Amino acid sequence: EAQVTQNPRYLITVTGKKLTVTCSQNMNHEYMSWYRQDPGLGLRQIYYSMNVEVTDKGDVPEGYKVSRKEKRNFPLILESPSPNQTSLYFCASSLARGTGSTDTQYFGPGTRLTVL
Amino acid sequence: KNQVEQSPQSLIILEGKNCTLQCNYTVSPFSNLRWYKQDTGRGPVSLTIMTFSENTKSNGRYTATLDADTKQSSLHITASQLSDSASYICVVRKGTNAGKSTFGDGTTLTVKP
Repeated sequence: EAQVTQNPRYLITVTGKKLTVTCSQNMNHEYMSWYRQDPGLGLRQIYYSMNVEVTDKGDVPEGYKVSRKEKRNFPLILESPSPNQTSLYFCASSLARGTGSTDTQYFGPGTRLTVL
Repeated sequence: KNQVEQSPQSLIILEGKNCTLQCNYTVSPFSNLRWYKQDTGRGPVSLTIMTFSENTKSNGRYTATLDADTKQSSLHITASQLSDSASYICVVRKGTNAGKSTFGDGTTLTVKP
């Protein structure tokens, strides 16, 4: 089954304790992205990757890191989480991303993170 | 101010009724516009996508329209079902800047029996 998987689905942690949220897709997609969703603010892009070893900042990259060492995986790293990073996080992928791309973007099930 | 504004913020309708959700945008230049359905606690799922030259697109009971001149789109849901209860998100992709997408805040639809 074609899908985007994220782990963990739920995480409660404390301020400053490094964590990684994994994202994997099995559709051989080139483009992958991370979003956070907060009430009243909609989905905001954190980082995206156009292909292996190519990553770039989205709208809200502060406090996050990513890596794209292989096509299928795109982990999101919080080196020193803070309470304002409490949010619902989504990973997404699509086949390609050019300016005119109409490829469907597939979203993962989400990771609900709470930072105390 | 968000470059993609959706209205209403929330909507309650009775099962079987039709409804229309609105999306106004200022993103320019325009590449395409997508509507997503997001069930509570789940990731968004694509419903329709329209480019500049398309002014209507259907997906089952969902019909999206686009007026690129006035920068307005609507999503019409026909004969609503309880399973249509969800958040509906409008997303506009820019025609430059590597296709950056701007998301609306969504309309929360509740369908009651």
